Amino acid sequence: AQTVTQSQPEMSVQEAETVTLSCTYDTSESDYYLFWYKQPPSRQMILVIRQEAYKQQNATENRFSVNFQKAAKSFSLKISDSQLGDAAMYFCAYRSAWGGYQKVTFGTGTKLQVIP
Amino acid sequence: EPEVTQTPSHQVTQMGQEVILRCVPISNHLYFYWYRQILGQKVEFLVSFYNNEISEKSEIFDDQFSVERPDGSNFTLKIRSTKLEDSAMYFCASTEGGRNEQFFGPGTRLTVL
Repeated sequence: AQTVTQSQPEMSVQEAETVTLSCTYDTSESDYYLFWYKQPPSRQMILVIRQEAYKQQNATENRFSVNFQKAAKSFSLKISDSQLGDAAMYFCAYRSAWGGYQKVTFGTGTKLQVIP
Repeated sequence: EPEVTQTPSHQVTQMGQEVILRCVPISNHLYFYWYRQILGQKVEFLVSFYNNEISEKSEIFDDQFSVERPDGSNFTLKIRSTKLEDSAMYFCASTEGGRNEQFFGPGTRLTVL
């Protein structure tokens, strides 16, 4: 079974600074997806960024980028120029690429605080 | 942009009562899911549903739970006799399948008293 581990329960960053959230995962599969979801106080799950395991290039979405290290099974999220609206819970997640019905497995989350 | 919707946004019920949580997946999607998040904990998979049957279910999804797609648009989660520990946020998700991502609804907060 796949597992996702987020070892940082809480992080804080000064507004306009850069922060990196860590995530490791365990799988025996070679083809899969990794995601970072943001969950603000409203508790809606918002997809921040997605990485396909067969792509070597790290995904980027505006101020959000990832450092995907497939051999190390590491998938960190970097938030540049942090804004107050970035304050939220961030969940790292995994999904197998095989089978259209595959579930998403989530980590325990990192609570990000942005300090003005 | 199409989105997954869920109703109600918040449901309060008495222990032992039946509840039905409703979801309207994105119209061309084929695979449907329910996830649960107890307050302060991670999101956990409950069940996946495809072609009018359950594809996979977790240990959490016991005989108290059932899912149904009663018509071409709704996807429901029923809890037959709610327990205090069923209090959680319940998320519905859907996908076209294959390599496409799952889209999550806004969640239903279930409070069991």
